[in-house]
Amino acid sequence: EAGVVQSPRYKIIEKKQPVAFWCNPISGHNTLYWYLQNLGQGPELLIRYENEEAVDDSQLPKDRFSAERLKGVDSTLKIQPAELGDSAVYLCASSLDLAHRRGELFFGEGSRLTVL
Amino acid sequence: DAKTTQPNSMESNEEEPVHLPCNHSTISGTDYIHWYRQLPSQGPEYVIHGLTSNVNNRMASLAIAEDRKSSTLILHRATLRDAAVYYCMDDAGGTSYGKLTFGQGTILTVHP
Repeated sequence: EAGVVQSPRYKIIEKKQPVAFWCNPISGHNTLYWYLQNLGQGPELLIRYENEEAVDDSQLPKDRFSAERLKGVDSTLKIQPAELGDSAVYLCASSLDLAHRRGELFFGEGSRLTVL
Repeated sequence: DAKTTQPNSMESNEEEPVHLPCNHSTISGTDYIHWYRQLPSQGPEYVIHGLTSNVNNRMASLAIAEDRKSSTLILHRATLRDAAVYYCMDDAGGTSYGKLTFGQGTILTVHP
């Protein structure tokens, strides 16, 4: 079974440019997460979806970050405009219904963003 | 948010057991304890989770203190492939059900 797929794996952009990351979760997983990981730090939750509904976006900087999960499957995370401090790894994760799996997350390999 | 504390780093020799400790100072009665690990250049990987009883799976064992304020991840025979950052977390529960808050983790070095 395919795992969580993310693209691109690497992206280098100039500051003030837009960038988008795509995530395809494991088939059948209704919960999807976007995490941000700075160098040497643990991942930090940006947003969590239950199907197509964002149920926790309190940590998403809404002035420049946006996310969507149309049809409750794939998801896109966008940054516009990017700033130097946005350089990080953006991780996507998915999980089954929480009532059954109690938060066991499956992560993708991440998208490494470098803003110059 | 739930908060855990772990040593910054630990070292082990190959084929020896490793005991990775974690303190769960804010854990509540219905919060599960989770352990994940992250190998270099990869996303975190689920290791094990439990509520009150000790748990075993093919990767590791999880020992949970009676008061649940601490847990220990046990790798019975460390291999070079176990070198990673290990994170322990509480499932915050309630309105944050399923929200896992990663700390800085413990960097495990395994020597040949």
